[in-house]
Amino acid sequence: AQKITQTQPGMFVQEKEAVTLDCTYDTSDPSYGLFWYKQPSSGEMIFLIYQGSYDQQNATEGRYSLNFQKARKSANLVISASQLGDSAMYFCAMREVRSPEGYSEGGSEKLVFGKGTKLTVNP
Amino acid sequence: KAGVTQTPRYLIKTRGQQVTLSCSPISGHRSVSWYQQTPGQGLQFLFEYFSETQRNKGNFPGRFSGRQFSNSRSEMNVSTLELGDSALYLCASSLMRSNNSPLHFGNGTRLTVT
Repeated sequence: AQKITQTQPGMFVQEKEAVTLDCTYDTSDPSYGLFWYKQPSSGEMIFLIYQGSYDQQNATEGRYSLNFQKARKSANLVISASQLGDSAMYFCAMREVRSPEGYSEGGSEKLVFGKGTKLTVNP
Repeated sequence: KAGVTQTPRYLIKTRGQQVTLSCSPISGHRSVSWYQQTPGQGLQFLFEYFSETQRNKGNFPGRFSGRQFSNSRSEMNVSTLELGDSALYLCASSLMRSNNSPLHFGNGTRLTVT
């Protein structure tokens, strides 16, 4: 069974500094997707970044980058130049898709989430 | 483009009652899935619908059910409510059931069972 581990219940960072949120995963499937979501206190889950298991390069989206180390089964989120609005819960999640091409009617929309990391950005 | 819309935002029910939550996906998205979020269990997958068919179901009792309509809108129903059903229920939609198609979540419905 797939599993996501986030070992940092809480993290603190000074405004404008970079921060790394850890995520390790466990799966036996060769094809999978890794996602990071942000959840402010309002409750909405905001999609941040995606990394596919076959992607050769680390994903980047603006100030967010994903440090993907496949052999170590880790997918850490790096936030550069932290802002006060980055204070929120951050969740790492994994989806397994059985088709190596990335699409299959037999695939699943089931995401397995980690417990999350609460990030606090201090002024 | 409007995001995923969930109604109502808040609900208060008593034990034994039933409740129906609604989710309208992003226009053009055909896949809808539901998640339950509690402080103790975190985020857990409930079920997934695509083309009006349930494609996958999480480990929840039969009191939890759902359906999807031809316009991709989805509802979930919880019957015989228990105190432990108090949670944030999140709906997500995606364009297609592919590996790199992210799930987009709504604001959730916060259900309190008293």
